[in-house]
Amino acid sequence: SQQGEEDPQALSIQEGENATMNCSYKTSINNLQWYRQNSGRGLVHLILIRSNEREKHSGRLRVTLDTSKKSSSLLITASRAADTASYFCATDALAQTGANSKLTFGKGITLSVRP
Amino acid sequence: NAGVTQTPKFQVLKTGQSMTLQCAQDMNHEYMSWYRQDPGMGLRLIHYSVGAGITDQGEVPNGYNVSRSTTEDFPLRLLSAAPSQTSVYFCASSYSMSAYTLHFGNGTRLTVT
Repeated sequence: SQQGEEDPQALSIQEGENATMNCSYKTSINNLQWYRQNSGRGLVHLILIRSNEREKHSGRLRVTLDTSKKSSSLLITASRAADTASYFCATDALAQTGANSKLTFGKGITLSVRP
Repeated sequence: NAGVTQTPKFQVLKTGQSMTLQCAQDMNHEYMSWYRQDPGMGLRLIHYSVGAGITDQGEVPNGYNVSRSTTEDFPLRLLSAAPSQTSVYFCASSYSMSAYTLHFGNGTRLTVT
């Protein structure tokens, strides 16, 4: 079953604007990750935030995590046409004793950045 | 450094045929997994392996078999293809299952007619 759910499903912005994407999840997690997928390609890892972290930065990316609301946001600042892609959040749920935890993905957000 | 390599890139099968999707990684990763990606469904885990000789089922394992005889290879077998298995299949690997990030191949687009 899907753990993470992204919002909005699609986002279209002008180059130079900021893009904010949200992810909500249902159960407690070890960590949350964001991935990018360009058309016809595999997913590429962007950033990982652990459950005891609230904010993380990587270049033009800023990720926040609110475990009380079970939600995360990905902000891409000063967007470029090359940022056009699908973005997925993935959660690593807290495993029960003896069980292997598995990474589960949301359905993704399609971001279009207009030149 | 090739990373995760999937073959073939495209495949068309008739219902009832069998085939094997190949996946190889050259990063000495212990963990490997197979996902399928369908429109509006995101990625769903089919099978995974935490090391050579160890495999386990994911969310949607029915109709698929896997084995892991070496660290490098993790093939996915479709025993009797069905139209419902039309999808894009991704293989992914990581160093371990603990706080791991996945490295993905570029996918195999499978059509079953």
